[in-house]
Amino acid sequence: AQTVTQSQPEMSVQEAETVTLSCTYDTSESDYYLFWYKQPPSRQMILVIRQEAYKQQNATENRFSVNFQKAAKSFSLKISDSQLGDAAMYFCAYRNNAGNMLTFGGGTRLMVKP
Amino acid sequence: DTGVSQNPRHKITKRGQNVTFRCDPISEHNRLYWYRQTLGQGPEFLTYFQNEAQLEKSRLLSDRFSAERPKGSFSTLEIQRTEQGDSAMYLCASSPSKLGGNEQFFGPGTRLTVL
Repeated sequence: AQTVTQSQPEMSVQEAETVTLSCTYDTSESDYYLFWYKQPPSRQMILVIRQEAYKQQNATENRFSVNFQKAAKSFSLKISDSQLGDAAMYFCAYRNNAGNMLTFGGGTRLMVKP
Repeated sequence: DTGVSQNPRHKITKRGQNVTFRCDPISEHNRLYWYRQTLGQGPEFLTYFQNEAQLEKSRLLSDRFSAERPKGSFSTLEIQRTEQGDSAMYLCASSPSKLGGNEQFFGPGTRLTVL
C-alpha cells in the first residue's frame, strides 16, 4: 500500500521569506501523480500544484514550486515570497496512474508571521 | 457558484442515531469521491463513484456506512447507529471523466459530532 509522510507538523515563515515543506512517499509503482493541497482554516481544500512522475522537470505555479526526487521518493513544496494568505494546512497527496483515490499525508500547518 | 457543495455543513447527533449527508458535485464531473478527515489528520479515502456505479470502497467503510449516487448526479452518505468514533469532517470531491492528473475538486465538508 502506498503511504505518504509529512514529517513537519508545523512550520513558520516570515512574510516575504521562503519556506520548504517536506513530503516523502512509498510506492512500488513507476507511474503516478503527486499533489500539494492547501486547506485554509474553515475553508475547503484547493489544489496548489501537481507533478507527473514521468516528468523530470519540476512543476512550478507562480510562487509555488516543487523539488521532485523520484529515486528518493521525495516531493517538497517551496513557497517563495510568503504571504499572510498562505497560512493554512498543506497536504501532500499521491495517486497512482490507474487508481482513483488520493492518499494524503498527515499535513503541515504553515504559519506566516507579519 | 459552480463548485462542489455539501449539506449540511454541521451535524450534531446522539450516539445510535442515523445521519445522512448530501454532496452535489460540479455538474460536468462524472467521478465523485468521499473522504473522512479526523482532527489534525489528512483525509482518508472512503469510496468512489463513476456515474451511478460505486466502483471502489475502502475497508474504512464499515457496514454501518452506505453511499449512493442514484442518477449519477448528487450523492448521499448515510451512517447508521452512529458511534463517537464517527465524529469527523466528511469531505466530498469530484473530478471529470478523463483520468491522468486531473485534480479532485473538494467541497467544504460536513462536520459530524456524535455525542
